[in-house]
Amino acid sequence: AQTVTQSQPEMSVQEAETVTLSCTYDTSENNYYLFWYKQPPSRQMILVIRQEAYKQQNATENRFSVNFQKAAKSFSLKISDSQLGDTAMYFCAFMKHYRLNAGNMLTFGGGTRLMVKP
Amino acid sequence: DSGVTQTPKHLITATGQRVTLRCSPRSGDLSVYWYQQSLDQGLQFLIHYYNGEERAKGNILERFSAQQFPDLHSELNLSSLELGDSALYFCASSPPQGKAFFGQGTRLTVV
Repeated sequence: AQTVTQSQPEMSVQEAETVTLSCTYDTSENNYYLFWYKQPPSRQMILVIRQEAYKQQNATENRFSVNFQKAAKSFSLKISDSQLGDTAMYFCAFMKHYRLNAGNMLTFGGGTRLMVKP
Repeated sequence: DSGVTQTPKHLITATGQRVTLRCSPRSGDLSVYWYQQSLDQGLQFLIHYYNGEERAKGNILERFSAQQFPDLHSELNLSSLELGDSALYFCASSPPQGKAFFGQGTRLTVV
């Protein structure tokens, strides 16, 4: 079974600053996906960024980037130029590589609550 | 807009009752997943359906059941409801490429 751990229950950052959210995971799989989801006060689950384990290059999406360390089983999210709208709960999640006959569910960490301060 | 539609958005019901939550996946997605998010908790996987067939079960109570219909929409049935069943219930659909798109969730309050 897979486990995902987010060791920072809460974080805060000043607007326009950079913040890094940590995530570690445990798995015996070699091929898998890792995700960061954002959950704002509206409670909608929004996909922020996705990383494929077989890719060495770290994924980036505008102000969001990851530091993926496969050997260390670490997957941190960096938010640059933080904006007030980034205030949300952030969840790290793991998914096994797609298999037609297996459940490809997400395993979530406990979340990190990020507050961006003006 | 993720393309995944969940109804209703809010539901208030009494203990002991039964409710049905509905989910329509994104066009073309054959997989539907149900997750439960209790207050201030992470998301827990409940069940996965692929093209009408159950493919995996997580921490789903025996009082809960689900199905996926030929048109690919899915329903999650919750019966003999207890106060502790109050939660946000999410449906997600997934293409084969390893992504998951979530609906807006159904907030269930059991009183």
